[in-house]
Amino acid sequence: GDSVTQMEGPVTLSEEAFLTINCTYTATGYPSLFWYVQYPGEGLQLLLKATKADDKGSNKGFEATYRKETTSFHLEKGSVQVSDSAVYFCALGDAGGTSYGKLTFGQGTILTVHP
Amino acid sequence: ETGVTQSPTHLIKTRGQQVTLRCSSQSGHNTVSWYQQALGQGPQFIFQYYREEENGRGNFPPRFSGLQFPNYSSELNVNALELDDSALYLCASSPLAGAQETQYFGPGTRLLVL
Repeated sequence: GDSVTQMEGPVTLSEEAFLTINCTYTATGYPSLFWYVQYPGEGLQLLLKATKADDKGSNKGFEATYRKETTSFHLEKGSVQVSDSAVYFCALGDAGGTSYGKLTFGQGTILTVHP
Repeated sequence: ETGVTQSPTHLIKTRGQQVTLRCSSQSGHNTVSWYQQALGQGPQFIFQYYREEENGRGNFPPRFSGLQFPNYSSELNVNALELDDSALYLCASSPLAGAQETQYFGPGTRLLVL
């Protein structure tokens, strides 16, 4: 079945440092890929998405490129801020021939940014 | 535009009881999905409703059931609660049911089973 593997955390960075959170996936067909962010005590917010190979999603300085050859969708940001502290989830939109949009999530990566 | 709302925000139940959680979808969205998020884990798909019909289901037992109403709001019902049902329950709505659709999440209902 479909699965998503994220780099283990937590990740602790200083403000203005470069961020990479690795995400790899296993899926049949051609899934859509998403990054969601969860701030303390809140639900999930979409950060960015990509629906086909070589697409780059971007939002709020974050970027991720859909790499079919390496089955990866790594999240990057050039300069993190304290306000980026949150839990980040990589997710896969089911594309195994079903008619519904089940999301399969990774285990999440806790990011803490210090001033 | 109103986003996805869920009620209640918190709930405490005892083992064996039944619970109903509610979700109002975002305006214009006809698809609602439910997820269970255990502490420290990623959300797990429970099921999806599209135009009042169950459109797909994850690996959850039949005591997890749902409804979708003509206004596309939805309920999640859990019977015979078990301790392991303690989790954050997230509802998400989307304009359509496909795999490429962005799902917009509500703030969740935190359920504690004692």
